Amino acid sequence: SQQGEEDPQALSIQEGENATMNCSYKTSINNLQWYRQNSGRGLVHLILIRSNEREKHSGRLRVTLDTSKKSSSLLITASRAADTASYFCATASGAGSYQLTFGKGTKLSVIP
Amino acid sequence: GAVVSQHPSWVICKSGTSVKIECRSLDFQATTMFWYRQFPKQSLMLMATSNEGSKATYEQGVEKDKFLINHASLTLSTLTVTSAHPEDSSFYICSARPGGEGQPQHFGDGTRLSIL
Repeated sequence: SQQGEEDPQALSIQEGENATMNCSYKTSINNLQWYRQNSGRGLVHLILIRSNEREKHSGRLRVTLDTSKKSSSLLITASRAADTASYFCATASGAGSYQLTFGKGTKLSVIP
Repeated sequence: GAVVSQHPSWVICKSGTSVKIECRSLDFQATTMFWYRQFPKQSLMLMATSNEGSKATYEQGVEKDKFLINHASLTLSTLTVTSAHPEDSSFYICSARPGGEGQPQHFGDGTRLSIL
């Protein structure tokens, strides 16, 4: 069953603008991960944030995690047309934290 | 690093055919591999977790006799869709996970299966 719920479902912005996507989940987690999927391709791992972390950065990506609200956000700064893709959050819970439960994803379109 | 190769990328075949999809971790050993199914414009649904040298663990509602999984080595897992029918048409994606706590899954590029 799906745990994460991303919003918005679709987001269209101009190149250079920032894009923010949100993810909410229901159960306690060990870590939360964000992935990107280009159309018809597999997923690319972007960033992993552990349950005891509140914020993490990687290049133009910034991820926050609020375990009290069971939510996370992904911010992409200075967006580029090449950022156009679907973005999924996935949560890892339980012993071993091996299995991931994916949200429904946000489809981001960056207009040149 | 952490490259996962999935083959074939596209299969079109007749109803009743069995189709094998391979998933290889090219530069790391993966004790655990995962098989997902994705319908158009939807998220990934976990089908099964494949552990090297042991039987796969299937998610509820996934027929183990229909979707045969073999994980014979630390770098290779295969999914065989037996006697495929049009309703099995979908995008199948595998992932592999290196050992250690908090490791991400690394995904193959997926296989689009079309059953006529």
